[in-house]
Amino acid sequence: GAGVSQSPSNKVTEKGKDVELRCDPISGHTALYWYRQSLGQGLEFLIYFQGNSAPDKSGLPSDRFSAERTGGSVSTLTIQRTQQEDSAVYLCASSLGTQPQHFGDGTRLSIL
Amino acid sequence: GENVEQHPSTLSVQEGDSAVIKCTYSDSASNYFPWYKQELGKRPQLIIDIRSNVGEKKDQRIAVTLNKTAKHFSLHITETQPEDSAVYFCAASGSYQLTFGKGTKLSVIP
Repeated sequence: GAGVSQSPSNKVTEKGKDVELRCDPISGHTALYWYRQSLGQGLEFLIYFQGNSAPDKSGLPSDRFSAERTGGSVSTLTIQRTQQEDSAVYLCASSLGTQPQHFGDGTRLSIL
Repeated sequence: GENVEQHPSTLSVQEGDSAVIKCTYSDSASNYFPWYKQELGKRPQLIIDIRSNVGEKKDQRIAVTLNKTAKHFSLHITETQPEDSAVYFCAASGSYQLTFGKGTKLSVIP
């Protein structure tokens, strides 16, 4: 069956522009997570959805970051007024229940 | 919050030898400990996980041990092969959020 799908796979944009990253979880998975992975680093938790609700947004690094999930399925992570420090790989994961989490291939975001 | 320390950061072994990666965690409420393998440019893939009611789990050449008292857990890979070369991440969780270690780059030398 299909795994977690993320798009785009790569995104290059200019500083100050807004970007939208998309995640399509495994069908039937109720939980969805966003993580950020900077070069050579571990994964940093950003936000968690249970259904369409986000009970934990504590990992979002600033108010320029927001995320939503609709229909208990697709999620979008939006970064407004991008900065160079936002450059990273953004990974999405989904799970049935809370664990185990299965990851997508990520979106490599580069801010020029 | 939870803090996970992982070491070594890099590890080179000869093909056929064993590799051991160790992690410590800080939150005694953590009860789920997965290990992910990430090849260059690829997604992290779950290779094995353990819950706190179990001390050891094995899957073919891979095993994980957990010491709840000491708050550390380890990944053991036996009879290493070149295709085991990758970055390995440990993680800990008490509910939904995974807290990751910084990763170990394993190189298996043919």
